[in-house]
Amino acid sequence: LAKTTQPISMDSYEGQEVNITCSHNNIATNDYITWYQQFPSQGPRFIIQGYKTKVTNEVASLFIPADRKSSTLSLPRVSLSDTAVYYCLVGDDGSARQLTFGSGTQLTVLP
Amino acid sequence: DSGVTQTPKHLITATGQRVTLRCSPRSGDLSVYWYQQSLDQGLQFLIQYYNGEERAKGNILERFSAQQFPDLHSELNLSSLELGDSALYFCASSLSGQGTSGNTIYFGEGSWLTVV
Repeated sequence: LAKTTQPISMDSYEGQEVNITCSHNNIATNDYITWYQQFPSQGPRFIIQGYKTKVTNEVASLFIPADRKSSTLSLPRVSLSDTAVYYCLVGDDGSARQLTFGSGTQLTVLP
Repeated sequence: DSGVTQTPKHLITATGQRVTLRCSPRSGDLSVYWYQQSLDQGLQFLIQYYNGEERAKGNILERFSAQQFPDLHSELNLSSLELGDSALYFCASSLSGQGTSGNTIYFGEGSWLTVV
């Protein structure tokens, strides 16, 4: 069972690149890494998912080193509207705990 | 818009009462998940159904129950309500029942429950 650890909060300025790292030392062979974004009083929104190396989509990139014990969500040129909580999820053990969100990282983008 | 529909959006009820929250998953999704989010607890996984069958159970109280119907919509029943049950209840859906593995989970906008 892979437990995740993320920073509780991060601050950034508009236009900067933000990298949020998630540690998952006990990740299993079949586990995927998924990131979600949540705004206050809204449901979490899928951002990106990966298994190894690098994944990029229109909103973010996900970097996963060879040992897969951590992953980094990269948000290019953030804006004020990127202020939200970001969650990292890991797991594929068929249990309920793979669906458990941790505390997440509160990203605050400043003008 | 995630395609997951939840009703009602807001609900105020008294302690001791029973309420039912309803969820319609995205078209084609077979799996439904329920989560509870309160100010001091964060997102708590309650239960998952896949194609009508219970697949995984999290921190769901015995006063709460859920089911998924043949048309794949789901209901979460909350009974003997207490003040502490006031929270935002999210429903989510996905195509398969494999949780996060290569499987995207889409969340609805939630149902706000206030118990007074």
